[in-house]
Amino acid sequence: EAGVAQSPRYKIIEKRQSVAFWCNPISGHATLYWYQQILGQGPKLLIQFQNNGVVDDSQLPKDRFSAERLKGVDSTLKIQPAKLEDSAVYLCASSPEPRGRGETQYFGPGTRLLVL
Amino acid sequence: AQSVAQPEDQVNVAEGNPLTVKCTYSVSGNPYLFWYVQYPNRGLQFLLKYITGDNLVKGSYGFEAEFNKSQTSFHLKKPSALVSDSALYFCAAPFYNQGGKLIFGQGTELSVKP
Repeated sequence: EAGVAQSPRYKIIEKRQSVAFWCNPISGHATLYWYQQILGQGPKLLIQFQNNGVVDDSQLPKDRFSAERLKGVDSTLKIQPAKLEDSAVYLCASSPEPRGRGETQYFGPGTRLLVL
Repeated sequence: AQSVAQPEDQVNVAEGNPLTVKCTYSVSGNPYLFWYVQYPNRGLQFLLKYITGDNLVKGSYGFEAEFNKSQTSFHLKKPSALVSDSALYFCAAPFYNQGGKLIFGQGTELSVKP
């Protein structure tokens, strides 16, 4: 079974530029998550999709970050314009249709973003 | 407030010795708890989870974790550490009154020396 795919793996941009990250979840997984992991910290949820609907985007800085999951499969996370503090690893995860509270989230390799 | 805490930033163990990585939690209701491992420049890999039942949970790569309700802890253990176990370990819990997102501890760097 193929895992969660993410691209690119690394990106270096200057502040005020824009950047986009792509995620392909595990086939059949209904739920998709984007997490931000700043160096030295645990991941923090940015946005959660259930199929193609947003479940939780309370931690997403909506003035600069946007995300979409068209057709309930792939997802794109965009930052425009980027700030220095956006330097982090962006992790995508997916999990099966929730039947309770114990579904495991499976993570992709992440995209490491450096904003100069 | 619901939270997950890992009180140790770093744990150092000699190869062949037992290891413990600590995690405590504060959640409402019955907790579901997870352990993930992160190798350098890699994503998080699932190790094990506690949902209900036996307090000792066995997972991947010989790891196990013990759920202790009275101490609100979920410590990760391995009887004999390997150098290849050196990595960053995260404890996490889902909060379903917030859509099911995982709340992570701050991580513990495990270093196993030969």
